[in-house]
Parts: sequence; structure tokens; C-alpha cells
Amino acid sequence: GNSVTQMEGPVTLSEEAFLTINCTYTATGYPSLFWYVQYPGEGLQLLLKATKADDKGSNKGFEATYRKETTSFHLEKGSVQVSDSAVYFCALGYYGQNFVFGPGTRLSVLP
Amino acid sequence: NAGVTQTPKFRVLKTGQSMTLLCAQDMNHEYMYWYRQDPGMGLRLIHYSVGEGTTAKGEVPDGYNVSRLKKQNFLLGLESAAPSQTSVYFCASSSFAERGMTGELFFGEGSRLTVL
Repeated sequence: GNSVTQMEGPVTLSEEAFLTINCTYTATGYPSLFWYVQYPGEGLQLLLKATKADDKGSNKGFEATYRKETTSFHLEKGSVQVSDSAVYFCALGYYGQNFVFGPGTRLSVLP
Repeated sequence: NAGVTQTPKFRVLKTGQSMTLLCAQDMNHEYMYWYRQDPGMGLRLIHYSVGEGTTAKGEVPDGYNVSRLKKQNFLLGLESAAPSQTSVYFCASSSFAERGMTGELFFGEGSRLTVL
């Protein structure tokens, strides 16, 4: 079946450090890929998305590129801020359904 | 700008009591979902619906029932609550996405349920 694997957390960084959270997937066909973010005490919000190979999703300084050859969708940010502290979920879906989520990676950014 | 709204936001139950969580979306989405989130276990799908009048089981359906009598509403029921159902529950909705479109999920803010 389809699955999503994320790097184990928690990840702790100093402010302005470079962030990478790895995400790889196993899927048939051509899923869309997503990164969701969950701030403390809140629901999940869509951070960025990509629909096909080599697409780059970007938002709020975060980027991820849909790599079909390595089945990956790694999340990166050049300079993290304290306000980026949250849990990040990688996910895939097909035509608006059949979503599969990774376990989430908790990021803590220290001032 | 309501999006997906869940009620109630918090609830404390005693073992054996029943309750219903209500999810409402105003985006005319076909698909609706109920997830539970527990520490260290990520999101787990309880039940989902692909249209008005339809429901299907997800990964962890036992102890829950759902109904989708109206397109905009998706109800999650606990007939006899157990402490193992203490969790944060999230409702989500999405729309059919044609090829080339992403079709993302939209989430509610969550409902925290404690069963004593």
C-alpha cells in the first residue's frame, strides 16, 4: 500500500539555521504531495503542495521539490525563526482523496 | 471565511456516556473525513465519506459511528465512550481534483475529548 516516511524528530535548531526535514513515499501512479504544519493547539494547515514530478512548492520561505526518481519531497528553509516551531507532516493524495500522512516531525527553534 | 468548523472544541465524558461531534464545511466539498491524533501516533483515519449519504471505514473505526445526511455536515458519534477514545479529533474536507490539480485537505481546529 501507499505510505509516507519522515525523519524522526524532534529537531532542535537555533534561529537562522538551515532546515531540512526528509520525506520519502511509496505509492502507485502519480500522487500529489503536501506538507502540512500544525502549530501548538491548532489544526493542520497546508504549507505547500506539488502535483507532478519536478514541481516545486513554496510558501513562507519553505520549499519542497517533487522528486519522482528518488520518491522524495524534502522540506527545506534557509533560515528558520522561532515562530516556525511546530509539527510538520508530509502527505500524499490522489485526486482529492486517499490521503496518507507521515507520522510528523516536531521542530523546535531556539532564540 | 468559516471553512471547516467543529463543535464542541472540548468535552469531558465519563466511561459509557455517548456524544456526537459535529463537523460543518461551507466549501461544497464532496469528501469529508474524521481523524484522531494521539501523541506519537500521528493522524489516524476513523471514517470518511465520499458524498452525501455515504460513509466508509478508515484505519481505526471501532467504537465510532458516522453519518452524512447533508453534504455540508459529517457527524462522528461515540455510543459508549471508553478511556482509549481520549484524543484530539480532527475533521477535514476536500474536493475532487482533476488530473493536474492537487486537491488538498482542509482541516478544522480540532475537538479535544477526555473520557474518564
